[in-house]
Amino acid sequence: DAKTTQPNSMESNEEEPVHLPCNHSTISGTDYIHWYRQLPSQGPEYVIHGLTSNVNNRMASLAIAEDRKSSTLILHRATLRDAAVYYCILRDVGGGATNKLIFGTGTLLAVQP
Amino acid sequence: KAGVTQTPRYLIKTRGQQVTLSCSPISGHRSVSWYQQTPGQGLQFLFEYFSETQRNKGNFPGRFSGRQFSNSRSEMNVSTLELGDSALYLCASSLTQGSNTEAFFGQGTRLTVV
Repeated sequence: DAKTTQPNSMESNEEEPVHLPCNHSTISGTDYIHWYRQLPSQGPEYVIHGLTSNVNNRMASLAIAEDRKSSTLILHRATLRDAAVYYCILRDVGGGATNKLIFGTGTLLAVQP
Repeated sequence: KAGVTQTPRYLIKTRGQQVTLSCSPISGHRSVSWYQQTPGQGLQFLFEYFSETQRNKGNFPGRFSGRQFSNSRSEMNVSTLELGDSALYLCASSLTQGSNTEAFFGQGTRLTVV
């Protein structure tokens, strides 16, 4: 499974945009890029995923570099409720039909009021 | 639509005992995966079931087992509990299988082994 690298922690101010980076230099052409987050005392929560094009949903945007070796999760206006650990995960179509997720250590996002 | 339900939420067991945890996936979801979360190892994949068949297994000893029923509900069992099995056990359900599929997690079962 291809590996991802994320900063251990980041800090943001409330109502400001947050850009969470993820490096995946060994990504294969069939790997989807998924983001999950885990709020304190809760199970992980799906945020967004994409393959090649940038993606938007109600929670966030995912910007994927042209060479796909990195991606950025964008929270447009951080709220206190966005304080969580954010995980960037690669999922390989070529690995067969599986829902196995390999979590790294993620980025702990702190949001200051 | 109800989310993923895990029972019980909290459990205290004695070393050497066995434990069974339950997971009810979102209605219509056929895939259930289990994860163990500890402060030292983070989130680790245990196993995955789809249509009552185990499709994938993580690197855990044989004391950890699971099964899935025809209604997609799943149980995991840990026998001969050790202190190191103390963890948050998380269940995730997905509509189907594949890397383009999102997973929905339950709140977890907090197991403490004393």
